[in-house]
Amino acid sequence: VQLVESGGGLIQPGGSLRLSCVASGFTFSNYWMHWVRQVPGKGLVWVSRINGDGSSTIYADSVKGRFTISGDTAKNTLYLQMNSLRAEDSAVYYCARSFGYSSSPFDYWGQGILVTVSS
Amino acid sequence: QSVLTQPPSVSAAPGQKVTISCSGSNSNIGNNYVSWYQQLPGTAPKLLIYESNKRPSEIPDRFSGSKSDTSATLGITGLQTGDEADYYCATWDSSLSAVVFGGGTKVTVL
Repeated sequence: VQLVESGGGLIQPGGSLRLSCVASGFTFSNYWMHWVRQVPGKGLVWVSRINGDGSSTIYADSVKGRFTISGDTAKNTLYLQMNSLRAEDSAVYYCARSFGYSSSPFDYWGQGILVTVSS
Repeated sequence: QSVLTQPPSVSAAPGQKVTISCSGSNSNIGNNYVSWYQQLPGTAPKLLIYESNKRPSEIPDRFSGSKSDTSATLGITGLQTGDEADYYCATWDSSLSAVVFGGGTKVTVL
């Protein structure tokens, strides 16, 4: 199992960025996928989740209405479209896999990708 | 301020035992499984405990988890220098409809 994030970088406040997470070694549609972020030196914060067939998505209140999670099962790729970015969105973003129930653990994580929102 | 409360740090000598508490409420720990993660410096988190007290096969039995009412505990016995890391608890919060993490606990081996 491998999860590899990409798409991070420096972006101005108010801008948009799309993160990608390419999954391999498992059947993408059989699992829920998540985004978790971490400000360097701070704790982990859950951002969003999508179910296996993409029919259900949920978000943390802090990103609701600005971020959109999606998945492409043909490409085994998870996405996070981030709009109206704020300085407080600056963090390392991890994609992670879980099983199909709410308190399921994150059993595999990507290496993380840094997003910096600054002028 | 995290929904789940962990002590900021714990420490012990090599070979000793440490426990890390994770306190929540009925909307999270009280009615859901807890998982624990180890994050070594500069790396992604790694699953240590799931469903409150189960270990993935690759995790040594020096690591253990338990849950009682609205609190969970991670125990580490036979402490090693390689155990120096940040440890996080996590669970589902039914009221928030969100996954919640503790603030993290830094383990130091003296």
